[in-house]
Amino acid sequence: ETGVTQSPTHLIKTRGQQVTLRCSSQSGHNTVSWYQQALGQGPQFIFQYYREEENGRGNFPPRFSGLQFPNYSSELNVNALELDDSALYLCASSLSPDTYEQYFGPGTRLTVT
Amino acid sequence: LAKTTQPISMDSYEGQEVNITCSHNNIATNDYITWYQQFPSQGPRFIIQGYKTKVTNEVASLFIPADRKSSTLSLPRVSLSDTAVYYCLVLSGGYQKVTFGTGTKLQVIP
Repeated sequence: ETGVTQSPTHLIKTRGQQVTLRCSSQSGHNTVSWYQQALGQGPQFIFQYYREEENGRGNFPPRFSGLQFPNYSSELNVNALELDDSALYLCASSLSPDTYEQYFGPGTRLTVT
Repeated sequence: LAKTTQPISMDSYEGQEVNITCSHNNIATNDYITWYQQFPSQGPRFIIQGYKTKVTNEVASLFIPADRKSSTLSLPRVSLSDTAVYYCLVLSGGYQKVTFGTGTKLQVIP
């Protein structure tokens, strides 16, 4: 059984640029959530995708957007990067949107300069 | 939206039982409580979930009083490998609102 994987591991971008982060769900999981974790802080919920539709969103601006594909993999896109977007971006998958047990990937460390 | 508060840090000796409490004063009727463990440079790992009273699994117990305004994660006989940050997570309306706690850094001492 393959766990949650994320790519890339690390990424450096310049303010104003756009970035795409990728996530592959654990086998059998159809729901994906994305979180932002700043250094020394707890994860902040960005949004969740189920059946290729957004199924819940945290307090993040529209420049944070996502996609879920038929194979349940997912992308997080961030436009017009700001310095405060520097963080660890975590992807988590779960069996369904009604399941609270989430399996997290190792994260993508994004640095915005 | 349920706001959660946890102690910033705790120390414990190996072999002791550790109790970490999370305060969620404005928890709503349908909100669910889960706890996660996170090691440095890794994603959080699910520990346990509950709605009310007591839940126990092979690694931990979760105690939730009747008013549900707090929850306590109990780790029996901790070892050095339990040194990590522990987060409580309140889910409101499924995943419509998700609030991680501030996290408690547990240091287990030999």
